[in-house]
Amino acid sequence: AQSVAQPEDQVNVAEGNPLTVKCTYSVSGNPYLFWYVQYPNRGLQFLLKYITGDNLVKGSYGFEAEFNKSQTSFHLKKPSALVSDSALYFCAVRAFNAGNNRKLIWGLGTSLAVNP
Amino acid sequence: AAGVIQSPRHLIKEKRETATLKCYPIPRHDTVYWYQQGPGQDPQFLISFYEKMQSDKGSIPDRFSAQQFSDYHSELNMSSLELGDSALYFCASSNERGMAKNIQYFGAGTRLSVL
Repeated sequence: AQSVAQPEDQVNVAEGNPLTVKCTYSVSGNPYLFWYVQYPNRGLQFLLKYITGDNLVKGSYGFEAEFNKSQTSFHLKKPSALVSDSALYFCAVRAFNAGNNRKLIWGLGTSLAVNP
Repeated sequence: AAGVIQSPRHLIKEKRETATLKCYPIPRHDTVYWYQQGPGQDPQFLISFYEKMQSDKGSIPDRFSAQQFSDYHSELNMSSLELGDSALYFCASSNERGMAKNIQYFGAGTRLSVL
């Protein structure tokens, strides 16, 4: 069965420090991988995706993520965290060979708190 | 740029009532998705439509139904509401034939409270 795991419910980091939000996945076939961010009482905003190509993908707001096929991971990173990055982050996956199945499988989310 | 529009933003209903949530996708997007997100939960996929045809079905209760109309807007109809239906309902759209395919763009959501 396809699944996404975000092992940390919460990540705390000091402003200016690098941050990592972890995501691992289990999917048959080649994965499409996504990161979304959700601010309080807001919809989910697309950050970045990996479909194919370079394992390191860059997205919005200075975020990037590295696809690691051997570890089935897609960790979200940012070199220098901002207080405004504090939000809920969701990792999602879609199997490439799923035919017309376009639904995303979501992780449970990681709450990122950046402290001033 | 135009985004996904959902209405209403907030809805309060009583048990056993019905509710209709509306979603207007980004222009020229061909796929619409509905999600339910409970407090502190990840989004739960309900149903999706591609070119006005149901393309995938998730954990949508039998009491709920949805459709996509000729103008591509979609409606989620919820009947016999239960307390447990209180949640944020998100609509998302994507253009599966364009350069940005596979990216789902979300609306701001409808917060449904069932009393």
